[in-house]
Amino acid sequence: KNQVEQSPQSLIILEGKNCTLQCNYTVSPFSNLRWYKQDTGRGPVSLTIMTFSENTKSNGRYTATLDADTKQSSLHITASQLSDSASYICVVSGLLTGGGNKLTFGTGTQLKVEL
Amino acid sequence: DGGITQSPKYLFRKEGQNVTLSCEQNLNHDAMYWYRQDPGQGLRLIYYSQIVNDFQKGDIAEGYSVSREKKESFPLTVTSAQKNPTAFYLCASHPGQVNTEAFFGQGTRLTVV
Repeated sequence: KNQVEQSPQSLIILEGKNCTLQCNYTVSPFSNLRWYKQDTGRGPVSLTIMTFSENTKSNGRYTATLDADTKQSSLHITASQLSDSASYICVVSGLLTGGGNKLTFGTGTQLKVEL
Repeated sequence: DGGITQSPKYLFRKEGQNVTLSCEQNLNHDAMYWYRQDPGQGLRLIYYSQIVNDFQKGDIAEGYSVSREKKESFPLTVTSAQKNPTAFYLCASHPGQVNTEAFFGQGTRLTVV
């Protein structure tokens, strides 16, 4: 069964600190892995997308890594800001019958940044 | 501006009624998706459409129906057969090519009263 598991479930850090979120997946066949940021009551917004051959990708203070052999990914947030408070969702894309992508979502890590 | 629009943002429904959620995109994307989000759970796929006039069931299609008469529109009907319809519903669109970005609407929160 295709699954995406994220840890920790929730995290509280002080403003300015760094943090790392984890994602393990069992989706097969694998197409790509994405990290999304979702503010409460809003739609997810893409942070990064990585294919099988990419090990790391950065987007400002966000850096994602991917180990396709162990099927693990991480999202590192540097110098956190209050606006980083949100749910961070790991999404793994597999292939649908008949073509196209099926997105399997993790349950997310709820991050809260405090003063 | 290009984007994907869901309406309404909040919706209240009486038990036993059908209700339709709107999703419109002007990104010229072939693929469109409906997801349901419940507290503490990841998004779950309800229905998806890869092309106009064609759609497929996702993981939790029971109690829902869709249509794809136009490329831009993919409405979702929550029927009275859906036993637990209160949730946050997200629509997404995708160009269809592998490794391209998917875009999400802002969601509709449906509450059954």
